[in-house]
Amino acid sequence: DTEVTQTPKHLVMGMTNKKSLKCEQHMGHRAMYWYKQKAKKPPELMFVYSYEKLSINESVPSRFSPECPNSSLLNLHLHALQPEDSALYLCASSPGTGAYNEQFFGPGTRLTVL
Amino acid sequence: DAKTTQPPSMDCAEGRAANLPCNHSTISGNEYVYWYRQIHSQGPQYIIHGLKNNETNEMASLIITEDRKSSTLILPHATLRDTAVYYCIDIGSNYKLTFGKGTLLTVNP
Repeated sequence: DTEVTQTPKHLVMGMTNKKSLKCEQHMGHRAMYWYKQKAKKPPELMFVYSYEKLSINESVPSRFSPECPNSSLLNLHLHALQPEDSALYLCASSPGTGAYNEQFFGPGTRLTVL
Repeated sequence: DAKTTQPPSMDCAEGRAANLPCNHSTISGNEYVYWYRQIHSQGPQYIIHGLKNNETNEMASLIITEDRKSSTLILPHATLRDTAVYYCIDIGSNYKLTFGKGTLLTVNP
């Protein structure tokens, strides 16, 4: 299995809802990432997990809460989001976190906040 | 902010080679040059990376100048499916991908 899967593909939520995005990989990768991509903009890094521990938080608001239950799974819990949080949320994984490790991206979850 | 600069757009005829340039004016000695692309509404796709030497794989070739201040990604026989935004990125010990605006390559029939 050489892919990163993300569910759901699309999500519509209200500002008072709580929802979660899921990302999974079975390549034995030990680093996993969340990115946010607004329309017509490049992806922006949000979080990095290395060996199931959070190693980078790019000053993301607390309404986004990442979780890495095991080495294959990465979640992003969403609560009290704003309409400006509507975006494509991308997950990626890599064998490790050295600069020589390419990242493999999932197809993304397109989130709309009403 | 992204450290690389790329032309915003390029066109290429189908079947011809596409040569995409990138300037790495502030690259340091331990930083790798990476290329990714993103086809519309899909996740980015890794293409190739290198440190000092030129590299080739089944997708593309990467040419890095001797001073490492510029690189060129070469798609030898572009197809319509190669239409995408292409990003070049310098990655060092912090292993963070910082995407710039990239180059929109349009392959025309």
